[in-house]
Formats: sequence, structure tokens, C-alpha cells
Amino acid sequence: GQQVMQIPQYQHVQEGEDFTTYCNSSTTLSNIQWYKQRPGGHPVFLIQLVKSGEVKKQKRLTFQFGEAKKNSSLHITATQTTDVGTYFCAGLKTGGFKTIFGAGTRLFVKA
Amino acid sequence: DGGITQSPKYLFRKEGQNVTLSCEQNLNHDAMYWYRQDPGQGLRLIYYSQIVNDFQKGDIAEGYSVSREKKESFPLTVTSAQKNPTAFYLCASSPRLDRYEQYFGPGTRLTVT
Repeated sequence: GQQVMQIPQYQHVQEGEDFTTYCNSSTTLSNIQWYKQRPGGHPVFLIQLVKSGEVKKQKRLTFQFGEAKKNSSLHITATQTTDVGTYFCAGLKTGGFKTIFGAGTRLFVKA
Repeated sequence: DGGITQSPKYLFRKEGQNVTLSCEQNLNHDAMYWYRQDPGQGLRLIYYSQIVNDFQKGDIAEGYSVSREKKESFPLTVTSAQKNPTAFYLCASSPRLDRYEQYFGPGTRLTVT
């Protein structure tokens, strides 16, 4: 079945360093969503990308959707301790109706 | 105050007992979902429903059952047939089944001993 692969599984950074997580699909996606789950919490929606090559920014977070609509990335500039948590991508296959979640990237930030 | 509620937050059961997890939303969303999350793992879809009185199996439906008698409610029953029921269970909803972001409840941590 369709899979959405996410790498890396874990990332340890020093506060102030940048962080990037990548999401790849074997099939074309009609959209990609990103969620953040704080430790002990529940996933919270961050953003949705729909257009090929789309780039969106939220303060220090930059989200990209690939030209082929098969991959996406989330980049955090100058990480802070408040960025800790697990970041999930979730893709909807073109013509499909079920969103598939990646396994997530867990971010650890050392002060 | 709109949102999704799940109760209880923590639940403890003995092996061999069925247990029902509650999920209620007042967002007027058509679609609702149940996910299972194991420590350090991603979200695995158990069941989903796109409309009242209709629901579909997800990727790991064995040992679980659901009902959708009301738009705002989507309870999940973890049966004794589920071999490894201890997990964090998350309920979510969205306006429709496709194209929209999902809103998650706070989750229920189920421990079966």
C-alpha cells in the first residue's frame, strides 16, 4: 500500500542550530500536512501544502512541497527548547480519500 | 468551547475485558478517526467514519470495533481479541474525509495487565 516515509527518525540538536525533517512518498500526493506533537500531548495541525513547489513560512518554520508533489520538508531555523516534540507529515494520495501519516521525526533540543 | 474530548485520560483494565473509549466532538465535522500510537511510534489508523452510520476499517482494525450512531460521537471498543491493547489511543475529526486537516483529542492511555 501507499507509504509516506519520514527521515530522520530522531534528531538531537543544540539550541540555536537548524533542523530539517524530510517526507517522501512513492506516489503523487494531492496535499501534504504537517503536525507537531509535544511530549505527552496530541498532534496539532501546523500547515497544509497543496501546490507543486509551494513554500510556506511560519516564523522560524519553513515548509516545502516538492515540484513532483512526492516529497516535502520542514525546516526550523535556530531551534529553541520549545520546538521539542515529534513532527509528523501526512499525505493524501492523488485521487484518494485517506490521509497517510509518516512515522514522525522526534526532535530533541539541548539548551 | 469547541473541540474534541476523549475520556478517560488514563484507563486500566485486566486482560480479557472489553473496554470502550469515548470520543465526542462539537465541531460539526462529518469525518472521525481512531488512531493507535505506541511509544516512540507514529500513528496507525484503526477505523474511520465519513458519515453517520458508516465506518471503514483502517490498517489495524483487528480486535477493535466502533459505532457511529450520532455525528458527534465515535466510541471505540477494544475487545479481548486485541493481542496487545496497551497503547495511546487518539481520536480525530475533520470537516470531510479528504483534503482537510485533522483535529485531535487529548488521547486515552490504556494499560491492560
